[in-house]
Order: sequence, then C-alpha cells, then structure tokens
Amino acid sequence: DGGITQSPKYLFRKEGQNVTLSCEQNLNHDAMYWYRQDPGQGLRLIYYSQIVNDFQKGDIAEGYSVSREKKESFPLTVTSAQKNPTAFYLCASSISSHRDTQYFGPGTRLTVL
Amino acid sequence: EDKVVQSPLSLVVHEGDTVTLNCSYEVTNFRSLLWYKQEKKAPTFLFMLTSSGIEKKSGRLSSILDKKELFSILNITATQTGDSAVYLCAVFYGGSQGNLIFGKGTKLSVKP
Repeated sequence: DGGITQSPKYLFRKEGQNVTLSCEQNLNHDAMYWYRQDPGQGLRLIYYSQIVNDFQKGDIAEGYSVSREKKESFPLTVTSAQKNPTAFYLCASSISSHRDTQYFGPGTRLTVL
Repeated sequence: EDKVVQSPLSLVVHEGDTVTLNCSYEVTNFRSLLWYKQEKKAPTFLFMLTSSGIEKKSGRLSSILDKKELFSILNITATQTGDSAVYLCAVFYGGSQGNLIFGKGTKLSVKP
C-alpha cells in the first residue's frame, strides 16, 4: 500500500516552541517537497529535496528547517522564528525533480496558540 | 514575475450543471500544466497537459491547454455533490530542475 503519510493530522503548540512535522513516503521517489497552504491562498513552497542529504529553500523558507537523511523521510521543523506558523502543511513527492507530477500526503494542520 | 491565476475563485452550482474553471499563466520556460482536486486534505492529481489543443478526459472531467493564449480550462459536466472541492491549477516551468507554481484555486460547491 504505497503512499505518503504525514503525522500528526492536527498539532497545537504554544508560541515560541519549535515543532517538527513528519513526512514519510514508500513510493521510492527521489524528490520531496513541503508546502504551506493558507485560507484562500495557493500552495507555497517552503523547502524541497531532490535527493538524500540535499535540500533547497523554496519561496518561503524563513523560520523553517528540514533534513533528508533517508530517502523515505523529509521532516519539517517550524521554528519560533516563523512569524505566522498557523497553517495547513502539505508534503509531496515526485519520482524526480525533473518529473512534473507531485503526489501529496494528507497534510498536517498546525495551530499555534 | 511568474504567476498562475485561476478564476473564478469560488462557484456555486446545482447538481447536473456544467462548469468551466479557468487557469491562466505567465511563466518562463513552460513545461506542463497540472490540475488537482482538493477536498478536505491532500490534493489528488487529475490531469497533466503539455500540448496545445489535445483534450484529456476522465469520466465527466475534461481539460485542454492553449499554449498560445497561455491558459487552460477544466470542464465538469453533469456535476454531482461529490465534485464539491477546491480545484488547483499548477504550472511546471523552468530549466533542468524545474519549479511548480500553484494558483489560488477555485472553490466549487455543488448543491443538491
């Protein structure tokens, strides 16, 4: 049963705390992505990784960090430096960064109180 | 500035109606245009279009791309309440690596 999983589904944190969102895929995809979605907005790219041990900043990387130690996993840390962290976070993967179709996980809704 | 613009932003129709969703784009080195359907959570892939004038169909959904006028439409015929969702248009563009840029989406509500 292949796919992309994200956990947790809902996350609540106090202001000033770092929080890590999990993303795992068993599709054997090389490329993985993190997007942020706000109400009435399109998806905005936070970070992406083309291959293990490599990642690049997207359009809105400030206040976020990632790691890619394993092909299957691409966790996102939302740091206290992120000014407006409350949002819906989507992880995606594609066969490679050269291949257009990205497949998405179910998302994590983060609320910072 | 590269951008993808969808219209309308929201739409309310009744079951059985036909709807047309629009997506226009301005990007450098266009490679493909993708449509996704997003209900509650993960966007699910619908179509990828790379060539002008070739219609892609899947059941009651169809889509076509016009690379000269830089737009695409997504048609849904005989709408059902299950078609209610946000429809996202994304354009893959750029050089050897490529980037995907999304529009804001069209929220479709189908009333019984």
